[in-house]
Amino acid sequence: DQQVKQNSPSLSVQEGRISILNCDYTNSMFDYFLWYKKYPAEGPTFLISISSIKDKNEDGRFTVFLNKSAKHLSLHIVPSQPGDSAVYFCAASVGFGNEKLTFGTGTRLTIIP
Amino acid sequence: GAGVSQSPSNKVTEKGKDVELRCDPISGHTALYWYRQSLGQGLEFLIYFQGNSAPDKSGLPSDRFSAERTGGSVSTLTIQRTQQEDSAVYLCASSPRTSGKQFFGPGTRLTVL
Repeated sequence: DQQVKQNSPSLSVQEGRISILNCDYTNSMFDYFLWYKKYPAEGPTFLISISSIKDKNEDGRFTVFLNKSAKHLSLHIVPSQPGDSAVYFCAASVGFGNEKLTFGTGTRLTIIP
Repeated sequence: GAGVSQSPSNKVTEKGKDVELRCDPISGHTALYWYRQSLGQGLEFLIYFQGNSAPDKSGLPSDRFSAERTGGSVSTLTIQRTQQEDSAVYLCASSPRTSGKQFFGPGTRLTVL
């Protein structure tokens, strides 16, 4: 049972435009959500997170939106840059911090120069 | 400072052999996690250590898998009698007690022939 779903395995976006990556979850107990970015042959690196008490968190070019009623979150990157090309994983946990993360299957983002 | 390190980076073994994978977490991080990523899949939680508490082993797929953490630092994941379906990238992560994000190592790519 896939509790965290990323239904788009890949996405291509023109440089300078907005990239929107989507994630859906089924477990209503999840209350902390994270996005990780992964380059080939490297481990995932933390990008941005959001607690369920918020509906938006922004960090520079990255913004995460959370819609609890729809059990949906999205990551917006604007403007998109070639270095953003990577695989993006959505993850969720029950409780903040030191708990196991449940990951989605990832979306491969390609920024076209 | 140094990040999470894992060794070996690649391991090729024959079906039925035992393997040991090592993780050196970031110094001072009290929590340590093991995940694996099979081809085309998301990251799958395996086991979680937090300080001196009993580890959460709920993600281990079979009793052929075990892990230990010595002295609250280095961890070893052992897979006995490896099978071809064990082929995956095994990722280790650590986090400080007060942080909501996990820091990942580069992973060990295990190939079982």
